Amino acid sequence: GQNIDQPTEMTATEGAIVQINCTYQTSGFNGLFWYQQHAGEAPTFLSYNVLDGLEEKGRFSSFLSRSKGYSYLLLKELQMKDSASYLCAAMDSNYQLIWGAGTKLIIKP
Amino acid sequence: GAVVSQHPSRVICKSGTSVKIECRSLDFQATTMFWYRQFPKQSLMLMATSNEGSKATYEQGVEKDKFLINHASLTLSTLTVTSAHPEDSSFYICSARGVVTGTGPTDTQYFGPGTRLTVL
Repeated sequence: GQNIDQPTEMTATEGAIVQINCTYQTSGFNGLFWYQQHAGEAPTFLSYNVLDGLEEKGRFSSFLSRSKGYSYLLLKELQMKDSASYLCAAMDSNYQLIWGAGTKLIIKP
Repeated sequence: GAVVSQHPSRVICKSGTSVKIECRSLDFQATTMFWYRQFPKQSLMLMATSNEGSKATYEQGVEKDKFLINHASLTLSTLTVTSAHPEDSSFYICSARGVVTGTGPTDTQYFGPGTRLTVL
């Protein structure tokens, strides 16, 4: 079956760095997406990886290892506004997104 | 680029009535649109996928006759919840996928702001 695993909740301190891990098992693979979702709002696109390696975009970076079925989202210089849920989603061979349950990130001052 | 609007943002209705939700891609043509629902503290649940001009593909367990989807053009899809009941109360979110210059890859889904439906 197809499955996405990510931690349910993480806590970090303002100004620090946090890494949110995601492992996936899908029928075929066409890329790994990360979305941010604030409470009561719809998800917003953060990043996309289809090749192995690290993609950096400002304070956010995303890493992919296809052989390990593993990705992480790295958030640097954490700000209070980064408190949100972070959704990992893998695209299968039918170009359908398989969604993780999301990781709720709590930022403390 | 990649703006998706959704209307209404919030609706409260009586049990038994029908509610229509519109999803529009404002600055790109959406070859495919998706409808999700999300219960509190849970992940997104895909309800159906629709391509312009063709019938929607519904996920297992989603009633086609209850959740009517129309994808009339490359920029508009509608979801109608027919004969709504309190258990249909949820956060409904649409997303659109298409070619958007200067943003994510072609297969990126861009989400509308969501519609919170409350059925009394």
